[in-house]
Amino acid sequence: DAGVIQSPRHEVTEMGQEVTLRCKPISGHDYLFWYRQTMMRGLELLIYFNNNVPIDDSGMPEDRFSAKMPNASFSTLKIQPSEPRDSAVYFCASSPGQGTSTDTQYFGPGTRLTVL
Amino acid sequence: QKEVEQDPGPLSVPEGAIVSLNCTYSNSAFQYFMWYRQYSRKGPELLMYTYSSGNKEDGRFTAQVDKSSKYISLFIRDSQPSDSATYLCAARSGGSYIPTFGRGTSLIVHP
Repeated sequence: DAGVIQSPRHEVTEMGQEVTLRCKPISGHDYLFWYRQTMMRGLELLIYFNNNVPIDDSGMPEDRFSAKMPNASFSTLKIQPSEPRDSAVYFCASSPGQGTSTDTQYFGPGTRLTVL
Repeated sequence: QKEVEQDPGPLSVPEGAIVSLNCTYSNSAFQYFMWYRQYSRKGPELLMYTYSSGNKEDGRFTAQVDKSSKYISLFIRDSQPSDSATYLCAARSGGSYIPTFGRGTSLIVHP
């Protein structure tokens, strides 16, 4: 298995532009998570899905952020409009969940976002 | 204040040293505790997973939880340069499947 796949790996954009981050979870995993990591705040959970349904989006910082999971093999995190304070590494993770806890989360390589 | 606190380091040790990484937490409901290892420019990967208090050993790694003092530790024996990474502790309650992460401690093992 190729693991969790994220694209792009790096994104540099200007303030006000729309940014779309993409994630392909591990096949068969029921849970998908979006995290943001910064030096100041560490790893923060933004939103997570179970069987393609958003369960908890309380970590989404504001209305500029939105996430979708149209099917079991694809999810997007969109920022519109982007701001410099959104600069961070965004991780997608997936977990099997069935009959186990979701503690074993498998993380993708992350997307390093820089908003100028 | 975050529910899970870690000293960011960096912690620099010579090869072969015993490393002690620590976290404190504030939520008494936490029952499950994890350590993730994150190499530079990579995603975190689960290293150790423990339930409630006690020790768990896996090769050179030992995870220790003291619920009475709300203290989580990870010990690395015979540390290697390949252990150089950021170590994140995490914890969750029995009622939630979502862990709360610490900020991570950067470890450098020099030859």
